Amino acid sequence: EVQLVESGGGLVQPGRSLRLSCAASGFTFDGYAMHWVRQAQGKGLEWVSGISWDSGSIGYADSVKGRFTISRDNVKKSLYLQMNSLRVEDTALYYCVKDLWFGELHDWGQGTLVTVSS
Amino acid sequence: DIQMTQSPSSLFASVGDRVTITCRASQDIRNDLGWYQQTPGKAPKRLIFAASSLRSGVPSRFSGSGSGTEFTLTINSLQPEDFATYYCLQHNSYPYTFGQGTKLEIK
Repeated sequence: EVQLVESGGGLVQPGRSLRLSCAASGFTFDGYAMHWVRQAQGKGLEWVSGISWDSGSIGYADSVKGRFTISRDNVKKSLYLQMNSLRVEDTALYYCVKDLWFGELHDWGQGTLVTVSS
Repeated sequence: DIQMTQSPSSLFASVGDRVTITCRASQDIRNDLGWYQQTPGKAPKRLIFAASSLRSGVPSRFSGSGSGTEFTLTINSLQPEDFATYYCLQHNSYPYTFGQGTKLEIK
């Protein structure tokens, strides 16, 4: 059974940094692309970033480009999101998502909540 | 960047009704589109891939169609568990983009 467990969320002041982690199990982690998707309370889904199985292809939403960095460790079966220069509008539930095939977001974690507030 | 325009933003219907939700892409995305269902407090669930292919285990009352820039999700004979929020997602190129969502509510 695929399991994706996010961690690292919390309350942080604007301008500060936070690093999210996603621990994967139940599948061959290094065989799949992975993504981060976020959702602000009461709002829609926003794709944040994606990374190919070998880290050779990476993409970011315009809203986070230059501030967030996605990475993965295939040995540790983990996905990361380094979030710098956080803004109030980054407040959201952040989901770790397994890509089944070129953008088919198949398996979702339960999310970790990031709150940016002074 | 590719923009996805989803309509309507909300929809009221009754059990047994047939409903259609539309997504329009700002440029040709071939059939690189999926539909997702989200119920309150839960993570989204993928329903349709490649614009028209039904994920295994998803009831056949759900169907998708379209290619290029116009896509539709149709739900026939609505069931109580179908009242949820639906999103389209284009994955033709980075950055991927979701539609704004359609909240399907009981009339």
